[in-house]
Amino acid sequence: AQRVTQPEKLLSVFKGAPVELKCNYSYSGSPELFWYVQYSRQRLQLLLRHISRESIKGFTADLNKGETSFHLKKPFAQEEDSAMYYCALSVSAGNTGKLIFGQGTTLQVKP
Amino acid sequence: DSGVTQTPKHLITATGQRVTLRCSPRSGDLSVYWYQQSLDQGLQFLIQYYNGEERAKGNILERFSAQQFPDLHSELNLSSLELGDSALYFCASSVARTIPDTQYFGPGTRLTVL
Repeated sequence: AQRVTQPEKLLSVFKGAPVELKCNYSYSGSPELFWYVQYSRQRLQLLLRHISRESIKGFTADLNKGETSFHLKKPFAQEEDSAMYYCALSVSAGNTGKLIFGQGTTLQVKP
Repeated sequence: DSGVTQTPKHLITATGQRVTLRCSPRSGDLSVYWYQQSLDQGLQFLIQYYNGEERAKGNILERFSAQQFPDLHSELNLSSLELGDSALYFCASSVARTIPDTQYFGPGTRLTVL
């Protein structure tokens, strides 16, 4: 079964603290994973994609196939990072690229 | 701005009615995806079109249908609306020359069924 699990509904940290948003996936194929961010119910914005290995706004994520995880990390959280974060798995079987989303984690960065 | 546009922004209607949501993809993108975001179900894939043809179906109800036109814009039709259909409906587009591909999302249409 194709599934993405984000175990934390809410993660609350103080400004300057490290952040780790957890994401685990279940997929029999070769996984292609994304992190999207959504500010105040606005459109989803791509934060990063695992194959590009870029660092966007200080966030990084490493794909761990052994642990089937793709956790999002940032060493020092900023107040403007407060948002909803979605981990997503792209399903390529059947020549589609549909995204399977996790339930999302709300990150709250306190001053 | 990702370039994906959706109209209308908000839609308020009554149970039993029918509505049409419209999406224009980014210039050059051939694939359009529809997603539903609700508080209880989260973000769910509904349907995908590629260059005018249906490519994949997700958790889309039979009361819902979609199409993609020759100019590549897409419409999602929701009929016999129920209270539970109230949600934010997102459209996304991608070039889709390779699978998987990055999807860019529109601002969404907020549907309220009273």
